[in-house]
Amino acid sequence: EVQLVQSGAEVKKPGESLRISCKGSGYSFISYWIAWVRQMPGKGLEWMGIIYPGDSDTRYSPSFQGQVTISADRSLSTAYVQWNSLKASDTAMYFCARQSTLYGSGSYSDYWGQGTLVTVSS
Amino acid sequence: QSVLTQPPSVSAAPGQKVTISCSGGSSNIGNNYVSWYQQLPGTAPKLLIFENNKRPSGIPDRFSGSKSGTSATLGITGLQTGDEADYYCGTWDTRLRAWVFGGGTKLTVL
Repeated sequence: EVQLVQSGAEVKKPGESLRISCKGSGYSFISYWIAWVRQMPGKGLEWMGIIYPGDSDTRYSPSFQGQVTISADRSLSTAYVQWNSLKASDTAMYFCARQSTLYGSGSYSDYWGQGTLVTVSS
Repeated sequence: QSVLTQPPSVSAAPGQKVTISCSGGSSNIGNNYVSWYQQLPGTAPKLLIFENNKRPSGIPDRFSGSKSGTSATLGITGLQTGDEADYYCGTWDTRLRAWVFGGGTKLTVL
């Protein structure tokens, strides 16, 4: 069974750093892209970026370039998104999702993690 | 403001049919596959339609997708109260070199 299991909720202060994770199981982790999606409270889905664990090819949405770092550890079948200095506006639910391809046939998110709630407040 | 435009809300009675539109441009919908996602309250999004009009295993045929030019449409027939959710379209944008989602449509089954 394909599963993406994300790390638990986090409460942080502005300026702190954070890394959240997404562990894949039930499939070949290195053969699928992992995307990260933000959902701010009461708002829609925003695509942040994506990584291919097979070769660490990483792409970012222009809106998130330079704001977060996406990485993956093939040995742990885990993808990450990291912030160096959190802001209150980073408060959101973050989802990871699996994709076969970046674009073209297979370009859709077929499995999603349960979400990680990040709260940034002083 | 989202690259893909969806109506904020739609509503219909149980048993009726509803359609949700998703409008884009040549750099996204016009030249790429569209997928649709259902997000029930408090849950993660779920894939409903992929590659414009295909249903994953387990998705009932009450859900359908279509695409014409730079617009896509999600159709839901035989509405049930359990279909109340937010629905999102998504696709790759070749100009932005990024995936984009619509702003989402809240479906109310009256």
